[in-house]
Amino acid sequence: GENVEQHPSTLSVQEGDSAVIKCTYSDSASNYFPWYKQELGKRPQLIIDIRSNVGEKKDQRIAVTLNKTAKHFSLHITETQPEDSAVYFCAASIPGDSGGGADGLTFGKGTHLIIQP
Amino acid sequence: NAGVMQNPRHLVRRRGQEARLRCSPMKGHSHVYWYRQLPEEGLKFMVYLQKENIIDESGMPKERFSAEFPKEGPSILRIQQVVRGDSAAYFCASSPEATSGGAEQFFGPGTRLTVL
Repeated sequence: GENVEQHPSTLSVQEGDSAVIKCTYSDSASNYFPWYKQELGKRPQLIIDIRSNVGEKKDQRIAVTLNKTAKHFSLHITETQPEDSAVYFCAASIPGDSGGGADGLTFGKGTHLIIQP
Repeated sequence: NAGVMQNPRHLVRRRGQEARLRCSPMKGHSHVYWYRQLPEEGLKFMVYLQKENIIDESGMPKERFSAEFPKEGPSILRIQQVVRGDSAAYFCASSPEATSGGAEQFFGPGTRLTVL
């Protein structure tokens, strides 16, 4: 099955600086890579996602890059703000076969992002 | 359009009891996924269901755990004879079509199960 590794486990940056979180995946069949933000005691919320047919996607201060050859993808947050403090999870999904299976997400262990004022 | 609903939000059970967790997907969503999250860890996929069918239960323990998504009503994750190791947050997510078809998974608020 799929295995997703995420680094670092904790990241502390000064407010206004950039933050980068990296993930690798093991199954080359994976084709969907979402990033979720989870605040303490809350539900995970999708912040950005990318599919295997593109290499980069950007949404305001957030961008994701995907390197299919190396099987890794990264989240970039620029001009960080205090409200960016949270745990961020990357995930990967293997497409289901004709029977519709294997659409569950495999998550990394998370990165606790701390924005220092 | 209400989001994914889960109840109860907190559930306390003694060892050996049964836990029933409910998930109502977003309106128009027929795909439901259950995940378990242990403290300080990521979410682990358990099971993927469409209406009345289990599509993928590869992440669900073979004993004591079962899931259903009936034609009418919420999806139910049932844990029989709970043990302390079952204590975790259980999240469900829903989507209007399979993730491989391009659909985002929307998460519910979770049920925090504590086994005494």
